[in-house]
Amino acid sequence: IVMTQSPATLAVSPGEKATLSCRAGLSVSGSVAWYQQKPGQSPRLLIHSASTRATGVPARFSGSGSGTDFTLTINSLLSEDSAVYYCQQYNNWPLTFGGGTKVEIK
Amino acid sequence: QVQLLQSGAEAKQPGASVKVSCKTSGYTFSDYFIHWVRQAPGQGLEWVGRINPKNGGTMYADKFHGRVTMTTDASLATAWMDMSRLTSDDTAFYFCAKDLRDSEAFDMWGQGTMVAVSS
Repeated sequence: IVMTQSPATLAVSPGEKATLSCRAGLSVSGSVAWYQQKPGQSPRLLIHSASTRATGVPARFSGSGSGTDFTLTINSLLSEDSAVYYCQQYNNWPLTFGGGTKVEIK
Repeated sequence: QVQLLQSGAEAKQPGASVKVSCKTSGYTFSDYFIHWVRQAPGQGLEWVGRINPKNGGTMYADKFHGRVTMTTDASLATAWMDMSRLTSDDTAFYFCAKDLRDSEAFDMWGQGTMVAVSS
């Protein structure tokens, strides 16, 4: 299943909201995870089951969606949120990731 | 705390094989699947396959079938990924990751192992 993320790059001012989109080629129910990856680091799980925050993830990160359309929202953006964000589906084999959205801080 | 510690960087020639290890700690090894994900330089994430440490059962992405072998040793709480017939397209960081008990979302990752394939 192809996962398509948009936009490819998003520039947001500190304190503003970032909205990242992920669209699945077929329905993946609610089996979507979101990851944050900073340069030189391993990915970090933010959200699983489309909307459940992983342990220790700040409440400014939230996920929504089901079926084919999913959204990751970052409220009150901080400079430390500058990273690439990936969505992943785990409803069907093989597991697949989106191409990523790079979030830049203005 | 949960940790996944991978082996060091590898430089290989085309046609060779590489074996990357992933030593885990801080949780019950046999209770969670280990997945392998790779990332070519500057590119996105690609799932390679997974192994069930409890029974050794594996599932590989089709493009790696016949070239990749995943194994575990519960007594060492360690997983390995062996990839053969390497080409330059296999140059990437290879990550091991532990999944959640009830889903294939990855809550803990190794630090990554760079595999460079070049003549």
